[in-house]
Amino acid sequence: GQNIDQPTEMTATEGAIVQINCTYQTSGFNGLFWYQQHAGEAPTFLSYNVLDGLEEKGRFSSFLSRSKGYSYLLLKELQMKDSASYLCAALDSNYQLIWGAGTKLIIKP
Amino acid sequence: DGGITQSPKYLFRKEGQNVTLSCEQNLNHDAMYWYRQDPGQGLRLIYYSQIVNDFQKGDIAEGYSVSREKKESFPLTVTSAQKNPTAFYLCASSIQPDGPRAEAFFGQGTRLTVV
Repeated sequence: GQNIDQPTEMTATEGAIVQINCTYQTSGFNGLFWYQQHAGEAPTFLSYNVLDGLEEKGRFSSFLSRSKGYSYLLLKELQMKDSASYLCAALDSNYQLIWGAGTKLIIKP
Repeated sequence: DGGITQSPKYLFRKEGQNVTLSCEQNLNHDAMYWYRQDPGQGLRLIYYSQIVNDFQKGDIAEGYSVSREKKESFPLTVTSAQKNPTAFYLCASSIQPDGPRAEAFFGQGTRLTVV
């Protein structure tokens, strides 16, 4: 079966760095997405990786290892507004997005 | 401004009634999707459409129906056959279904409560 695993909840301090991990098992692979979702709102796109390596975009970076079926989202200089759920989603061979349950990130002052 | 509009944001219905959730996009996207989100679970695909007048079942299509008569519109009907319809429903669209252009743009969601 197809599966995405990510931690249920993480806590970090304002100004610090946090890494949210995601492992995936899919039938084929056409890329991995990260989305941010604030409570009660729609997910918003953060990043897309299809090749191995690190993609940096401001305070957020995303890493992919296809051989390991592994990705992480790195958030630097954490701000209170970063408190949200972070969703990992892999695009399978049929170009369907397989979603993880999301990681709820709690930022403390 | 371009975007996806779902309405209403909150919806209450009595058990046994059918209800239709609206989804409209003016992004000129070909692909549109309906997801269901329950606490502690990932988004689950109900139906998707890659072109007008064509749609396919997702993983949890039972008890739901859709239509795609116009490129801009992809309404979802939750029928009385859906055993547990209370959930947060998200509509999304993408330029193409594959590659980086499979980035999904989401509407603000409809929270359906069946009493």
